[in-house]
Amino acid sequence: GAVVSQHPSRVICKSGTSVKIECRSLDFQATTMFWYRQFPKQSLMLMATSNEGSKATYEQGVEKDKFLINHASLTLSTLTVTSAHPEDSSFYICSARDLGYEQYFGPGTRLTVT
Amino acid sequence: SQQGEEDPQALSIQEGENATMNCSYKTSINNLQWYRQNSGRGLVHLILIRSNEREKHSGRLRVTLDTSKKSSSLLITASRAADTASYFCATDQGGKLIFGQGTELSVKP
Repeated sequence: GAVVSQHPSRVICKSGTSVKIECRSLDFQATTMFWYRQFPKQSLMLMATSNEGSKATYEQGVEKDKFLINHASLTLSTLTVTSAHPEDSSFYICSARDLGYEQYFGPGTRLTVT
Repeated sequence: SQQGEEDPQALSIQEGENATMNCSYKTSINNLQWYRQNSGRGLVHLILIRSNEREKHSGRLRVTLDTSKKSSSLLITASRAADTASYFCATDQGGKLIFGQGTELSVKP
């Protein structure tokens, strides 16, 4: 089956620093990837849609300058949280859509900003 | 908000009982999907029902979809302690999956 990986699975960073999260489709090509954020005891909120070779489309209320998304290849999208603050601490989940329009989710990255 | 609503928010039952969770949404959809998430873990895809389908079964899972009422239900029969998790519906809205608020299910042995 289609597998999506995320790296790292957990990261702790200091306030003011930037952190990069990778999302890879391991055995299929994904022209579109999605980034979600999930706070404790809450649902997944779609942050942005990442399209290979073009700019990401951000959902309303998501700061594009703070959450930088790069989808440089058909198997890799990265999310960079810039100048992270404690309120950015969350569970970040990516998904990748294959050519058949099926979406597959990564295992998530838990970000803690101290 | 594009998010739909799910009820109940939390459900506690005994092993062997059935669990029913409901999901409502606001816009037209291509399909509706149900996912399970164990605490602090990733999502597990359970079942997908297309907009032209009314009911679908998979093992102990039964999903219904009523597009006129913009609602869906997930029934888990003969529940087990291992079914304890959060359950989310997600609607495919123009290729984007929008998740409902979720139901936290607790199955007591």
